[in-house]
This record gives sequence, structure tokens and C-alpha cells, in this order.
Amino acid sequence: EADIYQTPRYLVIGTGKKITLECSQTMGHDKMYWYQQDPGMELHLIHYSYGVNSTEKGDLSSESTVSRIRTEHFPLTLESARPSHTSQYLCASTPNEGNTEAFFGQGTRLTVV
Amino acid sequence: GNSVTQMEGPVTLSEEAFLTINCTYTATGYPSLFWYVQYPGEGLQLLLKATKADDKGSNKGFEATYRKETTSFHLEKGSVQVSDSAVYFCALRRSGAGSYQLTFGKGTKLSVIP
Repeated sequence: EADIYQTPRYLVIGTGKKITLECSQTMGHDKMYWYQQDPGMELHLIHYSYGVNSTEKGDLSSESTVSRIRTEHFPLTLESARPSHTSQYLCASTPNEGNTEAFFGQGTRLTVV
Repeated sequence: GNSVTQMEGPVTLSEEAFLTINCTYTATGYPSLFWYVQYPGEGLQLLLKATKADDKGSNKGFEATYRKETTSFHLEKGSVQVSDSAVYFCALRRSGAGSYQLTFGKGTKLSVIP
């Protein structure tokens, strides 16, 4: 069982609010990722991190920001939520060596009304 | 660049039917290949993997063989169950220094009816 956790699981929030989606892993992985999953199921990488104080934008442009102050913690923030941000957000991490698989959290379903 | 192409769904099968979900890839070097499964309302779980040519990954009755000559990693199961209803993602992670992310297919939704 993967030790990577996302909170909250579900969030309904009004337009203009600031929100932070939490992601934590206890496996000591350096590499962490945020994916946005659209209703058509496709996954889009929006942010990744190689380690503490390292963050990069992914393939899909996103208005969200991330930080990596501690190895185990990779939160995603939206300063002003909009209905277009409504989506499923998935956090993942990979071990530091080799071509091993990613471990995923259970996801946060965000709805902005 | 790297890419993964998997058959589009949705796929609907009767219980105990044979399942094949096709997956082909384009990548430099020698990537590792994965199948993930996503049940409704959940994150992705690793179903099986293969790290080199001719390796066969297997789990829960599902199998896939890493075919370098055809750049394929097709998922198969001999007899599906209703509980196999989910979305299946084929993915690769490239080899070499600096490999940092997975490349996913678009997902195939499987529905198994009793």
C-alpha cells in the first residue's frame, strides 16, 4: 500500500477563494508530481519537483503554484479559484533510483462554484 | 519525444469474456512500461510492470508482455469480472539520467456487465 496522502478528498468552494491542496508522502521520495485529470480521464502533468526547493512547471499550463519546503510535503495552491479549475487533482511520487513506478494519492475532487 | 497510444474506449464486455487493451509506445532508449488501474473516485494503482524487452508483467489475472520489436505492451485477461470495471492507463518511464516523469496514454474505460 502506497504511503502518499491527499487532503481533502472532496472540496466545493466559491469563486475567488484561495485554496491549498495537500499532498504528503512518507516514503522519502525526492521526486513528486501533480496531475490534473479532465472528465475525459486524460492525465496532464502540471507541476513536478526533484527535491526540496525544486519546482518546475509541467506540460499543461496551470494557474496553480506549488512549493517544496520539506521532502515529504508538496502542496498546490490556487490564489483565486475559478470554475475552470474544477477538476480532479492527483499527486504522485517516485523512488529516487531506477525506472520504477509512481505511487499515487487518492486524489482531490475540486469543484468551484 | 515519448508517447503512449492506447485503444480508445469505452469497452463493454460480458463477465468471463476475454479482454485485450492495446498499447503502443514511442520512446528513446529502453523505457520501463506500466499498466495502472483507476477505480471510480480513486487515484491510480499500479497493476503490473515490465522493465526490459520480453519481460511479462502479471497481477490479478492480468498480463502484458514488453515487445520491443513491435513497441507494444498490450494488456490481457482471460476472464473478466464485474469488479474489473475501471479505467486502465498504459504508461512508460524512460531510462537514463534525468528520467523524471511518466508518460501516460489517454486511458481506456472498461465496463463489465453480469
